[in-house]
Amino acid sequence: DAGVIQSPRHEVTEMGQEVTLRCKPISGHNSLFWYRQTMMRGLELLIYFNNNVPIDDSGMPEDRFSAKMPNASFSTLKIQPSEPRDSAVYFCASTVGAGNQPQHFGDGTRLSIL
Amino acid sequence: DAKTTQPTSMDCAEGRAANLPCNHSTISGNEYVYWYRQIHSQGPQYIIHGLKNNETNEMASLIITEDRKSSTLILPHATLRDTAVYYCIVRVATGNTGKLIFGQGTTLQVKP
Repeated sequence: DAGVIQSPRHEVTEMGQEVTLRCKPISGHNSLFWYRQTMMRGLELLIYFNNNVPIDDSGMPEDRFSAKMPNASFSTLKIQPSEPRDSAVYFCASTVGAGNQPQHFGDGTRLSIL
Repeated sequence: DAKTTQPTSMDCAEGRAANLPCNHSTISGNEYVYWYRQIHSQGPQYIIHGLKNNETNEMASLIITEDRKSSTLILPHATLRDTAVYYCIVRVATGNTGKLIFGQGTTLQVKP
C-alpha cells in the first residue's frame, strides 16, 4: 500500500519566493497533519485537519504560512514570502479517525531558503 | 498531554535486546503511550502503542508498569538498522486532539 506521499523531496529557493509543499495522505485516512523539524526546536506540529477542515492551527508560526486541504487526497502548505529561518524539514502525516490510531508520516520535504 | 522523560542516548550490541525506558509520571487515565522512531533523514515511523496492557507486534514489545507511570520499549534482537532516535509520546486518544508532542527522544546506537 502507498504511504503518505510528499513532494518535492528537496526544495532550494531564494528568500522572498513563494514555496508550496504538497502532501497526499494514505487513502481512507481522514486526518492530516503538517509538522516541521529543525535542530533547534525538534519536531513540532504546525496544523491539523480532520475531514478536510482545519482543527488546530496554533502551531503555524505566522501569517506567511498557510495550509489548505481542498479534498481528502491532497493538502498544501504554502510559505509566502519565504525567509531563511523557514529552512527545515517539513513532514506530513495522516491517520484514520480521531481515536487512538497511529499517525503515519511521509519522508518529508527538505526546504532550504537562501 | 503528559510530558515524558527519556535518556538522551543508549548503546546496544547487535543481536541483543534493546530496552528503552520512558517515564510519564503525570499520565492521565485516558492517555495512550506511543512509540515512534526516526532513522536519519526519514520521517518518523510508528512502532507500537498501548493504554495499560503490555503489547507486542512484529517490531517490538511495550511493557507498561501497573501504575502506568513508566514504560519500556523492547526490541528483542537489535540490528544495525535499528539505530535511530526513539520517541516516547503520551496523548489523549479521543475527540479531535490528534496532536503528537515530540520530545528529544533517545538516540539508540546499535553496535556490531
